[in-house]
Amino acid sequence: AQSVAQPEDQVNVAEGNPLTVKCTYSVSGNPYLFWYVQYPNRGLQFLLKYITGDNLVKGSYGFEAEFNKSQTSFHLKKPSALVSDSALYFCAVRDYNQGGKLIFGQGTELSVKP
Amino acid sequence: EPEVTQTPSHQVTQMGQEVILRCVPISNHLYFYWYRQILGQKVEFLVSFYNNEISEKSEIFDDQFSVERPDGSNFTLKIRSTKLEDSAMYFCASSEAGTGNEKLFFGSGTQLSVL
Repeated sequence: AQSVAQPEDQVNVAEGNPLTVKCTYSVSGNPYLFWYVQYPNRGLQFLLKYITGDNLVKGSYGFEAEFNKSQTSFHLKKPSALVSDSALYFCAVRDYNQGGKLIFGQGTELSVKP
Repeated sequence: EPEVTQTPSHQVTQMGQEVILRCVPISNHLYFYWYRQILGQKVEFLVSFYNNEISEKSEIFDDQFSVERPDGSNFTLKIRSTKLEDSAMYFCASSEAGTGNEKLFFGSGTQLSVL
């Protein structure tokens, strides 16, 4: 069965510092990996995805993620955090079966302080 | 960017009552999903729907739950007899394709409170 894990419930960074939100995955075959963000009282917004190709994927709002096959990781990164980046971040893997559901990690709350 | 819309944004109901949560997926999308998120927990898959039938459902999606696409635009989730543990944020999502690199578009959710 496919799964993702986010080992950190919370990540705290100072504004202007780089941030990393960790994700590891377990799939059979090639993974389709996604990051979504959830702001308070809002739905899930797509940030970026990895399907194939370059291991460094760039997405919305200056975020990027690095796919590492040997470590089965897909960490989300940003060179310089903003207070407005504070939100809940979910890593997800897309199922191969017909219907293609997304399987989410447990989420990581990112808090960026001024 | 096109949006998935969900109504109502909040729904309060008494235990044992039926509720219907409504969603309007993006118009050219073919695959539809319901997820839920209990407060403080992960987003959980409930059901996927394609070509007017359920593609897959989770163990959460028991006989108390049903989905329907009653017309060309709406996609509904019905809970027949609500329980306290059904209290959660329910998200509808849609995608053009069911597999591969297509992202899912999510609505803003319906917060269901069962009293």
